[in-house]
Amino acid sequence: GAVVSQHPSWVICKSGTSVKIECRSLDFQATTMFWYRQFPKQSLMLMATSNEGSKATYEQGVEKDKFLINHASLTLSTLTVTSAHPEDSSFYICSGAGGPPDTQYFGPGTRLTVL
Amino acid sequence: GQNIDQPTEMTATEGAIVQINCTYQTSGFNGLFWYQQHAGEAPTFLSYNVLDGLEEKGRFSSFLSRSKGYSYLLLKELQMKDSASYLCAWGGGGATNKLIFGTGTLLAVQP
Repeated sequence: GAVVSQHPSWVICKSGTSVKIECRSLDFQATTMFWYRQFPKQSLMLMATSNEGSKATYEQGVEKDKFLINHASLTLSTLTVTSAHPEDSSFYICSGAGGPPDTQYFGPGTRLTVL
Repeated sequence: GQNIDQPTEMTATEGAIVQINCTYQTSGFNGLFWYQQHAGEAPTFLSYNVLDGLEEKGRFSSFLSRSKGYSYLLLKELQMKDSASYLCAWGGGGATNKLIFGTGTLLAVQP
């Protein structure tokens, strides 16, 4: 149980384009979903927290207009990286949780490379 | 703010026992989590402590002391496949399940 999927698993795009990453909880309802970014040899950095049907809460230093998050249902959240630049290249990981206090279950991650 | 400290790297021998420590200085508390992450993969959940004491799960055990802001992950009968990063994460409580991760400990298991 507690499986989270992400799509795509990897993407390469040109600078200036937008990329959408989907995160789905397959066998549970994720009332809260989280988006993280991880640079090589570093730990996970929380970008934002989203609850179904409401606006996402962004961590300090994360541009909400650049990283658009939509939590359309209890099983789906999307992250859109708008006007991507090479410095946005990273490993993006989502997680879902069923409700506080609860364990977060992580998706397999999406490796984004911006040329 | 949150400050979560773990050793950066550790090395241990196959079949041995290793203890990975984590200390935290935060306000509010909803639990202390341990995750395992292999290179290029997402973290997988190992354990969760919200009360003081030891939680045992097979070869892995986790300990928490809330008064000391201290936790450790104990791995017994080490196997080569245990080579990975081990992430300590602090749960902030409140209405969300927000986690703040430590920098992770890269464990290398040698023959």
